Amino acid sequence: AQSVTQLGSHVSVSEGALVLLRCNYSSSVPPYLFWYVQYPNQGLQLLLKYTSAATLVKGINGFEAEFKKSETSFHLTKPSAHMSDAAEYFCAVSEDNFNKFYFGSGTKLNVKP
Amino acid sequence: ETGVTQTPRHLVMGMTNKKSLKCEQHLGHNAMYWYKQSAKKPLELMFVYNFKEQTENNSVPSRFSPECPNSSHLFLHLHTLQPEDSALYLCASSQTGSTGELFFGEGSRLTVL
Repeated sequence: AQSVTQLGSHVSVSEGALVLLRCNYSSSVPPYLFWYVQYPNQGLQLLLKYTSAATLVKGINGFEAEFKKSETSFHLTKPSAHMSDAAEYFCAVSEDNFNKFYFGSGTKLNVKP
Repeated sequence: ETGVTQTPRHLVMGMTNKKSLKCEQHLGHNAMYWYKQSAKKPLELMFVYNFKEQTENNSVPSRFSPECPNSSHLFLHLHTLQPEDSALYLCASSQTGSTGELFFGEGSRLTVL
């Protein structure tokens, strides 16, 4: 079975600072990887996805993530944090038939003024 | 209109009540999912339906009973729940075999008294 590990359940950054949210996965097959964002009292919204094309993936709201096979990582970054980025972020991996998705435990991002 | 609609958004029920959660997707997807999101716990997959057939039951107690009458509708019937079942229940859909990401509804917040 696949698994996803998100290091740090809470991350706090200042507005304008770099955002780095870490995600490592285990997979016996080429993975499909996703980052989702969840605002309070809402469902999860897709930020970006990796499906075996370019290893650097750009998503919405200025976020991007890089797939590194050698490190089994898919870390999420944003050069400059905005107050509106405060939310919970989930990394997920899917098997190649897309019927099963495995989610990390989430990282809550706090952005300080 | 959002792609995945869940009703009700909030539900309070006693342990002896019977209620149902409803999910409808307007995206033409063939797979639908129920996830449970509890505080301080990872997202838990409950059920998966593919072309109306249940393909995953992740050891969910029988007090949760799913129903999928067609590819667009998914229900979660609830009866004799426990207070620990209080959580956000998220419905999602996807198109298996394509780029495959999950599309989530906004969730139904369930409180069991």
